[in-house]
Amino acid sequence: DIQMTQSPASLSASPEEIVTITCQASQDIGNWLAWYQQKPGKSPQLLIYSATSLADGIPSRFSGSRSGTQYSLKISRLQVEDTGIYYCLQRYSNPWTFGGGTKLELK
Amino acid sequence: EVQLVESGGGLVQPGRSLKLSCLASGFTFSNYGMNWIRQAPGKGLEWVASISSSSSYIYYADTVKGRFTISRDNAKNTLYLQMTSLRSEDTALYYCARRGTTTFFDYWGQGVMVTVSS
Repeated sequence: DIQMTQSPASLSASPEEIVTITCQASQDIGNWLAWYQQKPGKSPQLLIYSATSLADGIPSRFSGSRSGTQYSLKISRLQVEDTGIYYCLQRYSNPWTFGGGTKLELK
Repeated sequence: EVQLVESGGGLVQPGRSLKLSCLASGFTFSNYGMNWIRQAPGKGLEWVASISSSSSYIYYADTVKGRFTISRDNAKNTLYLQMTSLRSEDTALYYCARRGTTTFFDYWGQGVMVTVSS
């Protein structure tokens, strides 16, 4: 199975700051990676798909990038509503696997 | 508006069975692959099972293979998850999710809770 190692596990940042969350894949997964945001008590929401493509309705403050088997989610100009847990997902091969999550809190 | 509404959860004893349903609306259900994903209390997300639009392709996580069965009824716009030989570690919030044109899960239901306990 492909392992997705996500870091950091948690972070705290101030509004308007820039934060970056990363996922390291245990093997090549190409661009078969997505990022999700899960707000407290809510279902996950797709933010980024195919490593770099912004999902419909998602603010351009969110962006994804890839360097080899390392994938990053950058949130620019952090807003209060960005609080939540962020997950990466690989669907290169079954079983599809999620990263462990990054809990983002706003100061 | 795309909607996915899960039902059928509850408290069940270890070793017993339960069947979850997910009623879809707002899109042509028969055109999309569907999935079940679960989240244990306070934990992360775990993909459980996947079924293609015509049920030709079905996949399971190793943790549920042989115990869970995913199926769908395109005439009823409904996805199912038959769960047997339930274990305490199956306790989780179960989401159904659509695999959209992006090929990733683009719409999720609100989830249905399954608690396995004696």
